[in-house]
Amino acid sequence: DAGITQSPRHKVTETGTPVTLRCHQTENHRYMYWYRQDPGHGLRLIHYSYGVKDTDKGEVSDGYSVSRSKTEDFLLTLESATSSQTSVYFCAISEDRINQPQHFGDGTRLSIL
Amino acid sequence: GENVEQHPSTLSVQEGDSAVIKCTYSDSASNYFPWYKQELGKRPQLIIDIRSNVGEKKDQRIAVTLNKTAKHFSLHITETQPEDSAVYFCAASIRNQGGKLIFGQGTELSVKP
Repeated sequence: DAGITQSPRHKVTETGTPVTLRCHQTENHRYMYWYRQDPGHGLRLIHYSYGVKDTDKGEVSDGYSVSRSKTEDFLLTLESATSSQTSVYFCAISEDRINQPQHFGDGTRLSIL
Repeated sequence: GENVEQHPSTLSVQEGDSAVIKCTYSDSASNYFPWYKQELGKRPQLIIDIRSNVGEKKDQRIAVTLNKTAKHFSLHITETQPEDSAVYFCAASIRNQGGKLIFGQGTELSVKP
């Protein structure tokens, strides 16, 4: 399995608080992605990164920001969490070539009350 | 933007039968089509993928077919086993868009012994 670690694995927090999720990889892959998974919606891309300090928006980026200061770490931040952001968040990585498979981390279950 | 539709949303088969899941995509520039299997509470795992220069690919009991003209691709599982029970997701990636994947909504496959 690809060396991807997501932290925390579970988090419960209150509306309006900031939340940061971390994705750490040991594969030295260029591309990293953040998805959210909700019933009936499959996996939807939030943001992705194609290199250090290089990021772009996905389908559902509103309310989220990301940062990548090192190849191995990709952070997802909810500046002011809302109940609609309750979800399971997955990080994925892929190699530095086109059309390469994405490999997923174990996910973070986030509940916002 | 790209849109991926997946059918059926649920599928129940008897052990030993075949299962077929179909996906359609909207953007003719899509050129990479992976399939993922996700067991309950686990991460999505890549089971097979196909690129647009190939019409069919097999891996033991699993095969994927691609019809670029009709813009659809299908997953075929033969001789199904109870351990094939899971949610299956198709996805499509558009050339020159950072490898972003657009996922279908998922198919819950149940294989009854």
